[in-house]
Amino acid sequence: AQRVTQPEKLLSVFKGAPVELKCNYSYSGSPELFWYVQYSRQRLQLLLRHISRESIKGFTADLNKGETSFHLKKPFAQEEDSAMYYCALSGQGYGQNFVFGPGTRLSVLP
Amino acid sequence: DTGVSQDPRHKITKRGQNVTFRCDPISEHNRLYWYRQTLGQGPEFLTYFQNEAQLEKSRLLSDRFSAERPKGSFSTLEIQRTEQGDSAMYLCASSPLMGGSGYTFGSGTRLTVV
Repeated sequence: AQRVTQPEKLLSVFKGAPVELKCNYSYSGSPELFWYVQYSRQRLQLLLRHISRESIKGFTADLNKGETSFHLKKPFAQEEDSAMYYCALSGQGYGQNFVFGPGTRLSVLP
Repeated sequence: DTGVSQDPRHKITKRGQNVTFRCDPISEHNRLYWYRQTLGQGPEFLTYFQNEAQLEKSRLLSDRFSAERPKGSFSTLEIQRTEQGDSAMYLCASSPLMGGSGYTFGSGTRLTVV
């Protein structure tokens, strides 16, 4: 069964500090992993996908199949990064429905 | 195109009443998804359409829930005989048939059953 876990409900860091939001998954095939972000009073939006290996707003995430992890990292947190972050998994084949983790609230303190 | 639109934004209803929500996806997107999100949880998949065909339904979608996308454009989600446990944010998302851009979500409809 597909499952995504995010062990931290809340993560607080100071501005300028590194941040790592953890995500682990279980899936029998080759999944596609995504990070979605929801800023206060805004809709859920795609942050990045593992398949594109891109850096968005300074965030990166590497898929580690051995550890079944897809942690989100940023070397220097900014106050505007404060938001809810959801890790999501999609099965093989684009368009398969997503399984979301419970989310981690990131709070970047001044 | 202003993205995915959902209507209404908020709905308060009495237990036992029927409610219907509407979603207008991005016009060129073939796929449309419904998710439900309760407090402290990530979105949970309910159902999805490819054009007008409903291709998958979650076990979360009880007999009281029905979704349609009659012309492959907008979609409606109806909940009959609402229960307090139906209180949640109902999210709609759309995506193109091919491509790796992920979903585009709407703002959601918040349902409160009293």
